Amino acid sequence: QVQLVESGGGVVLPGRSLRLSCVASGFSFSTYGMHWVRQGPGKGLEWVAVIANDGSSYYYAESVKGRFTISRDNSKNTLYLQMNSLTAEDTAVYKCAKEGAVATIRDGLDVWGQGTTVTVSS
Amino acid sequence: DIQMTQSPSSVFASVGDRVTITCRASQGITRWLAWYQQKPGKAPKLLIYGASTLQSGVPSRFSGSGSGTDFTLTISSLQPEDFATYFCQQAKSFPLTFGGGTKVQIK
Repeated sequence: QVQLVESGGGVVLPGRSLRLSCVASGFSFSTYGMHWVRQGPGKGLEWVAVIANDGSSYYYAESVKGRFTISRDNSKNTLYLQMNSLTAEDTAVYKCAKEGAVATIRDGLDVWGQGTTVTVSS
Repeated sequence: DIQMTQSPSSVFASVGDRVTITCRASQGITRWLAWYQQKPGKAPKLLIYGASTLQSGVPSRFSGSGSGTDFTLTISSLQPEDFATYFCQQAKSFPLTFGGGTKVQIK
């Protein structure tokens, strides 16, 4: 069964850090690019970051550039998102997602996790 | 960044109705558009990619069309399980961007 399970969310003070994890199962994790997408309370979907299958390249949304770092450990089938200098605007459910085809974003994101909730509040 | 504008933001419909949702890109994206369905508390589900290619397992009552800047998602005969929020997403370039969503509600 193809599955993505996120963890690591919680309540954190503004300016602090948090690291999210996404464990993949049921497919060849090291073959696919992986993404983080977030959804604020009552809001739509906002793309956060992407990392290539081998970790050699990555891109970030302007809103998180310089504060968030995406990484992966293919030996552990795990995707990470290190989030620093958090602000209230980062409050959201963070979901990881798998690219639908090898080495391309053109086929959409075909597997998503349920998400982990991050709340930034004093 | 490519801006994606969806309309309407909500639609009220009955089982059996034909429902059409539109998505407009701020610049041409050829056919690099995906559609997702999301139910409350659930992960988004990929319905269509490449503007018109149905994802495996998705019922044929869903269809997509369009190219360039204007795209459409059509549900030919709305079923009870189709009441959900639908998002479009451009897949031409980073940053990936999503439409604001269309909530399909029971009339």
